[in-house]
Amino acid sequence: GAGVSQSPSNKVTEKGKDVELRCDPISGHTALYWYRQRLGQGLEFLIYFQGNSAPDKSGLPSDRFSAERTGESVSTLTIQRTQQEDSAVYLCASSILGAGALNEQFFGPGTRLTVL
Amino acid sequence: SQKIEQNSEALNIQEGKTATLTCNYTNYSPAYLQWYRQDPGRGPVFLLLIRENEKEKRKERLKVTFDTTLKQSLFHITASQPADSATYLCALGPMIYNQGGKLIFGQGTELSVKP
Repeated sequence: GAGVSQSPSNKVTEKGKDVELRCDPISGHTALYWYRQRLGQGLEFLIYFQGNSAPDKSGLPSDRFSAERTGESVSTLTIQRTQQEDSAVYLCASSILGAGALNEQFFGPGTRLTVL
Repeated sequence: SQKIEQNSEALNIQEGKTATLTCNYTNYSPAYLQWYRQDPGRGPVFLLLIRENEKEKRKERLKVTFDTTLKQSLFHITASQPADSATYLCALGPMIYNQGGKLIFGQGTELSVKP
């Protein structure tokens, strides 16, 4: 596609429910990233995929958070038993890896998650 | 742990002036540093990258400097315009160039350019 897309754009859920957030990266981008941005804050790294493996999951805040990626394509971030502190914008980005790559990250518009 | 700080207060300047944003970091030696622009309700957009062995990089009205001794980057917008109003984020790259990996983002500085 032309850019990184994310769905849904907005998600309102009740505390305790599970949610799934989807990211479609730019075709051909090997690397995919998930970040979280709370209101008025910078981006907080969650997880990084290289292909469909995740060499860095260090930012996942708890075992309620998990993510997977199919090949070098779609990724899904799942939050189980959501809590109010999970409310944030979840941003996905993709980038090209390899010789000459600058790791310029292309971001999607984000999914705004609100946990009531 | 790594720490990255940007001016927390919003920067308000007059159209035509030069805006200067600061990014300081500690406990890290990045291979490169990036600057992004973020508009409300949107994801960040890449602007510039500067490598650890570069002192200065320019792109149109933008200039970035990188002082690895001071552990500081300065981001300048010359001849600023109201359309430059946005939040600007600096991000530290991994310690190895040409590798993927997470970026460590600052909290961003909001710039407002008044006509």
